[in-house]
Amino acid sequence: AQSVTQLDSQVPVFEEAPVELRCNYSSSVSVYLFWYVQYPNQGLQLLLKYLSGSTLVKGINGFEAEFNKSQTSFHLRKPSVHISDTAEYFCAGRGNAGKSTFGDGTTLTVKP
Amino acid sequence: DAGVIQSPRHEVTEMGQEVTLRCKPISGHDYLFWYRQTMMRGLELLIYFNNNVPIDDSGMPEDRFSAKMPNASFSTLKIQPSEPRDSAVYFCASSPTRTYGYTFGSGTRLTVV
Repeated sequence: AQSVTQLDSQVPVFEEAPVELRCNYSSSVSVYLFWYVQYPNQGLQLLLKYLSGSTLVKGINGFEAEFNKSQTSFHLRKPSVHISDTAEYFCAGRGNAGKSTFGDGTTLTVKP
Repeated sequence: DAGVIQSPRHEVTEMGQEVTLRCKPISGHDYLFWYRQTMMRGLELLIYFNNNVPIDDSGMPEDRFSAKMPNASFSTLKIQPSEPRDSAVYFCASSPTRTYGYTFGSGTRLTVV
């Protein structure tokens, strides 16, 4: 069975600092990986996705993620965060069955 | 594109009443998902459809919950009778294929008193 583990439930960081949100996945079959962001009182919004090819994928709002097959990781990074990046972030994996498995979420809090 | 449209945005109902949540997916999307989100349990998949056919309903909590997708542009999630523990935000999401991410609706915040 496919599982997705987000290693940090909360990540506090100061404005303009870099951030990394960690995600590990397990799968025995081909897998597509995604990061979503959820702002308060809103639905989840797709940030970026990895399907195949280049292991570094770029998404919206300056975020990027690196697929690492040997470490089964798909960490999300941003070199300089803004107050407006404060939100909950979800890592997800989608296998051949069609449905995604979501991690438990990481709350990113950007402090001034 | 208007995105995934859910209605109502908020619903307050009394215990024992029937509740119907509605979703209009993005045109051309073959997959439709119903999720429930609470602080305690996080994001839970309730059921999903592919080409209007229910594929996996193992997440539906109990027989009080039912979902239908009569056509490609409409789905409902019904709770009858509702209970206070059903209080949550219910999200509908759709995607064109399994290699794409989901587009989520804005959710329905259900409160059962």
